[in-house]
Amino acid sequence: GAGVSQSPSNKVTEKGKDVELRCDPISGHTALYWYRQSLGQGLEFLIYFQGNSAPDKSGLPSDRFSAERTGGSVSTLTIQRTQQEDSAVYLCASSLHGEQFFGPGTRLTVL
Amino acid sequence: DQQVKQNSPSLSVQEGRISILNCDYTNSMFDYFLWYKKYPAEGPTFLISISSIKDKNEDGRFTVFLNKSAKHLSLHIVPSQPGDSAVYFCAAKEGGIQGAQKLVFGQGTRLTINP
Repeated sequence: GAGVSQSPSNKVTEKGKDVELRCDPISGHTALYWYRQSLGQGLEFLIYFQGNSAPDKSGLPSDRFSAERTGGSVSTLTIQRTQQEDSAVYLCASSLHGEQFFGPGTRLTVL
Repeated sequence: DQQVKQNSPSLSVQEGRISILNCDYTNSMFDYFLWYKKYPAEGPTFLISISSIKDKNEDGRFTVFLNKSAKHLSLHIVPSQPGDSAVYFCAAKEGGIQGAQKLVFGQGTRLTINP
């Protein structure tokens, strides 16, 4: 597709379960970012991949959060042992030169 | 520590009038600023940006003003149209336009344009 896609669009899970969120960036974009937006808050940076460099994980809120990017393209954000405070919209973005293009997000609800 | 702040959660403006959205920042290392627009159930879309070497950037109905001494920027939309109704996020980064680094976002301002 022409834009950034994310799946699933909505995910409801029970507290304590693991979840995986997927991001397909724009083809050819070398940088990929994960953000999350909690209710009433701005977007919070989580992690950033640039080419083959080590990712910038400085925004991950705890060691329950991890992400990988396979083959320099698709990325998966994994949240282990989900907690209710993990409920948010998780947004992925990709870029080639500066401007970041965002996907529609995955709305995660932890019951 | 909120490095980028949008102190107005909402703003209502009459169609045809000017909309002014404000943003303040605290990190003096920020040198590139962006505004994003977000409709419900969609990701944010880039609207306009400004480098710290400028104090104004204009694109059609949208103008962004930067006051570095006050660490303040604003987005002006004139004339406002109903399709402008959305949540607007201010964002800032270090490393200039090419720096592929994380964006720091404000909390957003919900703009409603009334017919």
